[in-house]
Amino acid sequence: DVVLTQTPSTLSATIGQSVSISCRSSQSLLDSAGNTYLYWYLQRPGQSPQLLIYLVSNLGSGVPNRFSGSGSGTDFTLKISGVEAEDLGVYYCMQATHAPLTFGSGTKLEIK
Amino acid sequence: EVKLLESGGGLVQPGGSLRLSCAASGFTFTDFYMSWIRQPPGKAPEWLGVIRNKANGYTTEYNPSVKGRFTISRDNTQNILYLQMNTLRAEDTAIYYCACLYTTGDYWGQGVMVTVSS
Repeated sequence: DVVLTQTPSTLSATIGQSVSISCRSSQSLLDSAGNTYLYWYLQRPGQSPQLLIYLVSNLGSGVPNRFSGSGSGTDFTLKISGVEAEDLGVYYCMQATHAPLTFGSGTKLEIK
Repeated sequence: EVKLLESGGGLVQPGGSLRLSCAASGFTFTDFYMSWIRQPPGKAPEWLGVIRNKANGYTTEYNPSVKGRFTISRDNTQNILYLQMNTLRAEDTAIYYCACLYTTGDYWGQGVMVTVSS
């Protein structure tokens, strides 16, 4: 299985601060057709995961543009440019290039 | 409005069985792949498997971690997704979500709790 390693595991930020989360894959997520199926999710307390970014860098429906994704191959980054109170929760990367689909271990964002 | 509503969770003894249902509405059910994903308390989600759409013959694929114990099926006349779980173990305790995952988006249910304990 593809292992996704997220760092840091916990992040503490003030309102307005910019933060980044790293997701490193044990295998390249680029498929033979040139697609990279890397996604980012936010899970707020008591809720289902919510899609933020699809295909590495595309903003999900209704997602604020302070969220952005980048990367290629095995190294990916989620950036939040100006954290807001509603951004607290656990962030997960997920890959769907290789079966079985796998998730990272999560990064908990706390608001100072 | 898309809705996915899971049901059938609860407390089951080790070695027992349980069938979860997920009622779908607001989209053309037969056009989409449907997945089951679970999340043990305080841990990351784990994808369990998928049942493909009509165009792909409703074939299934499973995570090796549950293959042979769990079975995914769908009733395309009533727009219901099922997860049959057999020989349950304590480590199967989790919130179980049905989800429609596609390349550029997704829909998730609110989840249902399954507790395996004597």
